[in-house]
Amino acid sequence: GQNIDQPTEMTATEGAIVQINCTYQTSGFNGLFWYQQHAGEAPTFLSYNVLDGLEEKGRFSSFLSRSKGYSYLLLKELQMKDSASYLCAVMDSNYQLIWGAGTKLIIKP
Amino acid sequence: ETGVTQTPRHLVMGMTNKKSLKCEQHLGHNAMYWYKQSAKKPLELMFVYNFKEQTENNSVPSRFSPECPNSSHLFLHLHTLQPEDSALYLCASSQGDSGNSGANVLTFGAGSRLTVL
Repeated sequence: GQNIDQPTEMTATEGAIVQINCTYQTSGFNGLFWYQQHAGEAPTFLSYNVLDGLEEKGRFSSFLSRSKGYSYLLLKELQMKDSASYLCAVMDSNYQLIWGAGTKLIIKP
Repeated sequence: ETGVTQTPRHLVMGMTNKKSLKCEQHLGHNAMYWYKQSAKKPLELMFVYNFKEQTENNSVPSRFSPECPNSSHLFLHLHTLQPEDSALYLCASSQGDSGNSGANVLTFGAGSRLTVL
């Protein structure tokens, strides 16, 4: 079967760095997405990786290794507003999105 | 308005009620989606419409009935629901439901929180 694994919850300190991991086993691969979802709000698109390597976008970076079926989202200089759930999703060979259950990130002062 | 708008934001209904969820997008997108989001579970894709044609129905019970009158509007009609149907129902849109993964970035609405008593 197809599967996406990510930690259920993580805690980090304001101003620090946190890495949220995502591992996947899917039928084929057509890209990996990260979304951010604040409580009670819509998920919003953060990043898309289809080639191996690191994509940097301000304080957020996303890394992909297709051979390892692995990605991470790196958040630097954490702010209280970064408290949210982070959803990992992989597009399989049929262009279907397979979703992880999300990682709830708690930022403490 | 811009983006994807869902109404109502909250809905409480009994098992014998009939209600509808509405979704509207002002992004000029051609594909619209209904997802179910339950606590600590992955998003579950329910229905996909591409250019107003239903292209996906993920074995969803018939008590959920989608309607897409045009590419900007999507409805989810609810009838004789069960308590386990209580969840957040998310609508999303994208440029197209096809290859070219980069065009499949989803824009979500804030969701309709449904409670079935």
